[in-house]
Amino acid sequence: NAGVTQTPKFRILKIGQSMTLQCTQDMNHNYMYWYRQDPGMGLKLIYYSVGAGITDKGEVPNGYNVSRSTTEDFPLRLELAAPSQTSVYFCASSHGREAFFGQGTRLTVV
Amino acid sequence: GQQVMQIPQYQHVQEGEDFTTYCNSSTTLSNIQWYKQRPGGHPVFLIQLVKSGEVKKQKRLTFQFGEAKKNSSLHITATQTTDVGTYFCAGPEKTNFGNEKLTFGTGTRLTIIP
Repeated sequence: NAGVTQTPKFRILKIGQSMTLQCTQDMNHNYMYWYRQDPGMGLKLIYYSVGAGITDKGEVPNGYNVSRSTTEDFPLRLELAAPSQTSVYFCASSHGREAFFGQGTRLTVV
Repeated sequence: GQQVMQIPQYQHVQEGEDFTTYCNSSTTLSNIQWYKQRPGGHPVFLIQLVKSGEVKKQKRLTFQFGEAKKNSSLHITATQTTDVGTYFCAGPEKTNFGNEKLTFGTGTRLTIIP
């Protein structure tokens, strides 16, 4: 059972570069989420989706974009990376009850 | 929007001592969930409470949902080194689409002194 798969696991970006964090789930969940977790801190919601074609902003959406063209995939796009985006990014999915998390992507912007 | 706060932010305990973390929401919750994140890992679901005043146990862990459904607690009896990690509560928040998204609390980081 794959669950929620995130790629890559680690990435170093230079300031101003762009990248897409991939997230795929095979549980047919409607809800998908992107969180960021700064060192020693809690989870901050970046974007979420309640189904294919439907996305909305969380509490820290600036500098990010998402799309949800299929139930399975929920990529997170970083445009013009900044040092403040250095963090661990978690994707999660849910059927409305418990959330299942991916292993995370550790991103460093230098 | 909904705010979910947890106290304390950090807790250091001697192995064998008890530990409690408290979760408080600014709004009434339909349910509360608890997650554990081991150092370097990802959050993992522990339990969901739905009913007012509900108490559930998992071995040494006791979870409680307040009568007003705005607060919850997690109590660990006789902590062990395997309990190390950050404990998050999470509650559903209404979205602009009429359904619910999950809002996480600020977390309590537990460290154990052997």
